[in-house]
Amino acid sequence: GENVEQHPSTLSVQEGDSAVIKCTYSDSASNYFPWYKQELGKGPQLIIDIRSNVGEKKDQRIAVTLNKTAKHFSLHITETQPEDSAVYFCAASLQGAQKLVFGQGTRLTINP
Amino acid sequence: ETGVTQTPRHLVMGMTNKKSLKCEQHLGHNAMYWYKQSAKKPLELMFVYNFKEQTENNSVPSRFSPECPNSSHLFLHLHTLQPEDSALYLCASSQLAGGLGTDTQYFGPGTRLTVL
Repeated sequence: GENVEQHPSTLSVQEGDSAVIKCTYSDSASNYFPWYKQELGKGPQLIIDIRSNVGEKKDQRIAVTLNKTAKHFSLHITETQPEDSAVYFCAASLQGAQKLVFGQGTRLTINP
Repeated sequence: ETGVTQTPRHLVMGMTNKKSLKCEQHLGHNAMYWYKQSAKKPLELMFVYNFKEQTENNSVPSRFSPECPNSSHLFLHLHTLQPEDSALYLCASSQLAGGLGTDTQYFGPGTRLTVL
């Protein structure tokens, strides 16, 4: 089955700097890759996703890149702000299979 | 917020108790999910329901019993749990689009369960 590895487990950056979180997956058939943000006391919220027919997707300060050959994808947050502090999860699945496999999470802290 | 609500938000129960978790989605979706989130472990899919029918049981112990009376409501009945079952239980929903559907899953805030 699918296995997703996420790094780093913790990340601390200065406000205004960029943050990058990386994930690798094992099943080459996976073709849907969402990223979720989980704040304290809340459930995970989808922030961006990418499908295997594109290599990059951007939404304001957030971007995701996908390298199908290497089976890894990354989340990029630019111009970080204190409200970006949260735990971020990547996930992978075969589109239509409904079985999201999650990474272990990255606790991102933005230092003012 | 995502339009998926869960009650109660916190629950403490003994190993001999019987309790239920409730999830309701207000998004008009037709698929619902239960996940378990333990400390230092990835989110684990437990059950999947499509159009009220269970389509996935991810080897979950029988002390967890799901129920889906309609596409908007999902329950998780708990009995004779163990301390290691203490975790955050998350409900999610999605819209099946058929074929290569979107499958974007929207999560509720979770129920923090403590088993004494």
